[in-house]
Amino acid sequence: ETGVTQSPTHLIKTRGQQVTLRCSSQSGHNTVSWYQQALGQGPQFIFQYYREEENGRGNFPPRFSGLQFPNYSSELNVNALELDDSALYLCASSLGGSSGNTIYFGEGSWLTVV
Amino acid sequence: QKEVEQDPGPLSVPEGAIVSLNCTYSNSAFQYFMWYRQYSRKGPELLMYTYSSGNKEDGRFTAQVDKSSKYISLFIRDSQPSDSATYLCAMGGGRRALTFGSGTRLQVQP
Repeated sequence: ETGVTQSPTHLIKTRGQQVTLRCSSQSGHNTVSWYQQALGQGPQFIFQYYREEENGRGNFPPRFSGLQFPNYSSELNVNALELDDSALYLCASSLGGSSGNTIYFGEGSWLTVV
Repeated sequence: QKEVEQDPGPLSVPEGAIVSLNCTYSNSAFQYFMWYRQYSRKGPELLMYTYSSGNKEDGRFTAQVDKSSKYISLFIRDSQPSDSATYLCAMGGGRRALTFGSGTRLQVQP
């Protein structure tokens, strides 16, 4: 167990809808990252939040947005869902904003867009 | 060309075999190297973390980094059916987020 919890575990949405995924980081961790993992691929970095501020973003459009709260939990929001957004969305937490810090993943949220 | 290349497999070996998994990379800025194990429909689990060239051993697992060749490896000794999973290499440096390989699927046959 990594102490990183995500919800919901599975969900199905219709193209054009909006979705919010939630993550509780490991106790004491102030950094949360979100990754998208398509079937058969490695995780792709979406963005990272450090002390409630976005401090890094991958090659994802603005319809992918996020928040980090004072207790360091986080949300990932995706607007105007497309079929290609179907993937496993992974939250990872760490202490500090550098990739040199060990990061721990949650079990992920499986999103299917139909 | 991808920054991190990893053979997707699948790799099938008999129980007890030594398994070698590899990744190559192109970006010299990578300083930290990790191996994650991912069981089907689960999140990645950190196996090994290294930040320098050389070997690091943990039980049946050995991680090897060769920065001059931009090549990393994970060796699994005495492989078990429970080792059957997808193995992901990941790399980072400074404030860069982790860059992952596409994963190698390993099947250990009893």
